[in-house]
Amino acid sequence: DGGITQSPKYLFRKEGQNVTLSCEQNLNHDAMYWYRQDPGQGLRLIYYSQIVNDFQKGDIAEGYSVSREKKESFPLTVTSAQKNPTAFYLCASSTGLAISTDTQYFGPGTRLTVL
Amino acid sequence: AQSVTQLGSHVSVSEGALVLLRCNYSSSVPPYLFWYVQYPNQGLQLLLKYTSAATLVKGINGFEAEFKKSETSFHLTKPSAHMSDAAEYFCAVRLNYGGSQGNLIFGKGTKLSVKP
Repeated sequence: DGGITQSPKYLFRKEGQNVTLSCEQNLNHDAMYWYRQDPGQGLRLIYYSQIVNDFQKGDIAEGYSVSREKKESFPLTVTSAQKNPTAFYLCASSTGLAISTDTQYFGPGTRLTVL
Repeated sequence: AQSVTQLGSHVSVSEGALVLLRCNYSSSVPPYLFWYVQYPNQGLQLLLKYTSAATLVKGINGFEAEFKKSETSFHLTKPSAHMSDAAEYFCAVRLNYGGSQGNLIFGKGTKLSVKP
């Protein structure tokens, strides 16, 4: 089955620790995205990558870092510099082609809780 | 700048009643618009999208939305609510200019409750 997987589903972190969230897709998509979701705030874009070895900051990139060494993988690191990291994190991918019709497909999400 | 406003953070309907979830956008150029649904603790699933073809767009699970340029709206409707429709719904607009072209801007979501 083609799709997007995120792991782990639940993640607990102590304050001051870095943690990495995994996102893998087997849809052969060029573009990948990371969003943060907080109650009542919708989704906010953290980072996106339109092609391997390239990525761009989104609206709330401070305290986060990413890499895109492989087409199918786009891991997100939540660093200790992120002041309020407890949230639900969603990864998405799209073909990156045909701006008008390109659809973003979402993974199941990772819920991060800082203790 | 493009943005999306969803009116009503919570909507409650009875089973079998009409579902109407409101979405208004601001855009100086023709937008591309999307509706997604999210069930608890899950990712988002695309319901439907408007890409400048027909103004009435039909999606999955009996939902449809009508693009009205004069009202800058893209409201989501379903004639008869089912208990399984209880979820959170997000309207989104695609950026179609600038360096972030292609990225989505999401509304804050509307939680739909369905009463038996």
